[in-house]
Amino acid sequence: KAGVTQTPRYLIKTRGQQVTLSCSPISGHRSVSWYQQTPGQGLQFLFEYFSETQRNKGNFPGRFSGRQFSNSRSEMNVSTLELGDSALYLCASSQGTSGGSGLETQYFGPGTRLLVL
Amino acid sequence: AQSVTQPDIHITVSEGASLELRCNYSYGATPYLFWYVQSPGQGLQLLLKYFSGDTLVQGIKGFEAEFKRSQSSFNLRKPSVHWSDAAEYFCAVGETGRRALTFGSGTRLQVQP
Repeated sequence: KAGVTQTPRYLIKTRGQQVTLSCSPISGHRSVSWYQQTPGQGLQFLFEYFSETQRNKGNFPGRFSGRQFSNSRSEMNVSTLELGDSALYLCASSQGTSGGSGLETQYFGPGTRLLVL
Repeated sequence: AQSVTQPDIHITVSEGASLELRCNYSYGATPYLFWYVQSPGQGLQLLLKYFSGDTLVQGIKGFEAEFKRSQSSFNLRKPSVHWSDAAEYFCAVGETGRRALTFGSGTRLQVQP
């Protein structure tokens, strides 16, 4: 099975712009989660989508949003970019069969590295 | 709220030496515990996980971890480290009813020849 794929792998934007990142989960996986990784804050949970609905959300401002499509692919969007949004954005997928439980293994993609200038 | 502490930011070991990476968690119920490894410029790869049962868990690449409820710990071990093990290691906790992992700050492992 192919793993989680993320596009693009690298992105450079300027402050004030918006950006859309894409994630394709492992085939058959129905849950997609997004994480932000920075040197200062480490790995932080952004949000999780299951059946095209946001099920869980981390502590991030409303500039961060996402969506999931009927084929389980997901996108996340960051509007009005700030310098502090520079990070590695990781997408993870899981089967989505255990009623939302944290015991499901999440499989991570390689990430999209976003640089905001 | 749950939290994970990895007290060691950076560890250096010699190739062939044993390794133990520490992880302490704070969570009110039975935790779901994970260890992930991240090589430079890569995503996270799952090494092992603990949900219940046997407190000694075997993972990939010769790693194992032991869950100790009394110490709220889930330390990762390997008897003999290889140069290819140099990477950053993350401990994480998952919670009941929520597909959202809380990660520790990571431990960077350097392996000396």
